[in-house]
Amino acid sequence: GAVVSQHPSRVICKSGTSVKIECRSLDFQATTMFWYRQFPKKSLMLMATSNEGSKATYEQGVEKDKFLINHASLTLSTLTVTSAHPEDSSFYICSAPGLAGELAKNIQYFGAGTRLSVL
Amino acid sequence: AQSVTQLDSHVSVSEGTPVLLRCNYSSSYSPSLFWYVQHPNKGLQLLLKYTSAATLVKGINGFEAEFKKSETSFHLTKPSAHMSDAAEYFCVVSFDTGTASKLTFGTGTRLQVTL
Repeated sequence: GAVVSQHPSRVICKSGTSVKIECRSLDFQATTMFWYRQFPKKSLMLMATSNEGSKATYEQGVEKDKFLINHASLTLSTLTVTSAHPEDSSFYICSAPGLAGELAKNIQYFGAGTRLSVL
Repeated sequence: AQSVTQLDSHVSVSEGTPVLLRCNYSSSYSPSLFWYVQHPNKGLQLLLKYTSAATLVKGINGFEAEFKKSETSFHLTKPSAHMSDAAEYFCVVSFDTGTASKLTFGTGTRLQVTL
């Protein structure tokens, strides 16, 4: 199956700094990727839809200036947490839709996630 | 609007006994439904999916789920639990935007398997 690589797997940073998380589709192209946030013992919440060649679409309540998304190519999307604060500490996960085909379109492949800890 | 409710936040079973993880959904459209599993510090792995074909769906690792429209349910089952099944399980409903699907996740069920 398709593989989505997410890097780094874990990052610890000081309050006020910015952190970049990368999401790559390794063996397929993804014009769309999704970014999720998972709080401890909670479900995944969709933050934004990353679109190659255009602006990301953010879900209600997500600060677009706080969480910058850049879909630089057909295989790479990045999420930058700007001026991070302790409340931004969380598990961030990206996903990309499956390969072409009507049935595969509904399948998404997930990265392994990035655990962000802001001190 | 669509939503997913996982009725149990935590389920504990003995190894070798059946597993039942419950999920109810609400959707304005004919839904696509999924079960994903997340092992500690790992990404999510697709267990199985329902996309309006057969109502009984077989997935990987011996799991299966039955879509019951009358009950708006999509419960996940396995005849015999294995220690390696211990993980977090998410029931997910998909909304097709036209180019890609937006997923709505349930709150998850943590499955514990004891000896």
